[in-house]
Amino acid sequence: AQSVTQLGSHVSVSEGALVLLRCNYSSSVPPYLFWYVQYPNQGLQLLLKYTTGATLVKGINGFEAEFKKSETSFHLTKPSAHMSDAAEYFCAVSGSGYNDMRFGAGTRLTVKP
Amino acid sequence: NAGVTQTPKFRILKIGQSMTLQCTQDMNHNYMYWYRQDPGMGLKLIYYSVGAGITDKGEVPNGYNVSRSTTEDFPLRLELAAPSQTSVYFCASSRSPTGAKNIQYFGAGTRLSVL
Repeated sequence: AQSVTQLGSHVSVSEGALVLLRCNYSSSVPPYLFWYVQYPNQGLQLLLKYTTGATLVKGINGFEAEFKKSETSFHLTKPSAHMSDAAEYFCAVSGSGYNDMRFGAGTRLTVKP
Repeated sequence: NAGVTQTPKFRILKIGQSMTLQCTQDMNHNYMYWYRQDPGMGLKLIYYSVGAGITDKGEVPNGYNVSRSTTEDFPLRLELAAPSQTSVYFCASSRSPTGAKNIQYFGAGTRLSVL
């Protein structure tokens, strides 16, 4: 079975600062990993995903995440935060089984001017 | 392109009332899902469907029912609403239920309060 832990329910950064949102996963099989973003009053939308191959994955809006198997981590980063990045971010893990996607509890990102 | 559409956006129910949350998608996806989102808890799967006429329970199905008469529609029924069902409900759909292809597309959600 898969599970995800997001460290920090709330992260606050200044505009222009580095964004780092942490995600650790547990999986008994090679995982597929996803980051979703939820803007206020909207549903979740896919930011990026890791399947196989290159461990550094680039997503939309300048975000990227690195898969580190030895650390069972898939942290999300962005070099320079923008006010429009304020949202809630969810990490998710899926195995190769049927309908086994699991979401983390979410991290709310606040960007200060 | 509408994607996944949920109605209503907001609803207040009294304890014991019933209601149906509507969900429709126009992407011809076979797989559809209902989640509830509680603060600090992430998303929990209530029910899912693999195609018209086929549904199955997720992690937290108690107090809910679903049906899937068409590929497009996947309504969620609450019978005898309870305060514990106060939550934000999301409907989602995907082309595949497995692994890397399990990219889910979400509706904007229904915010439900049971008082």
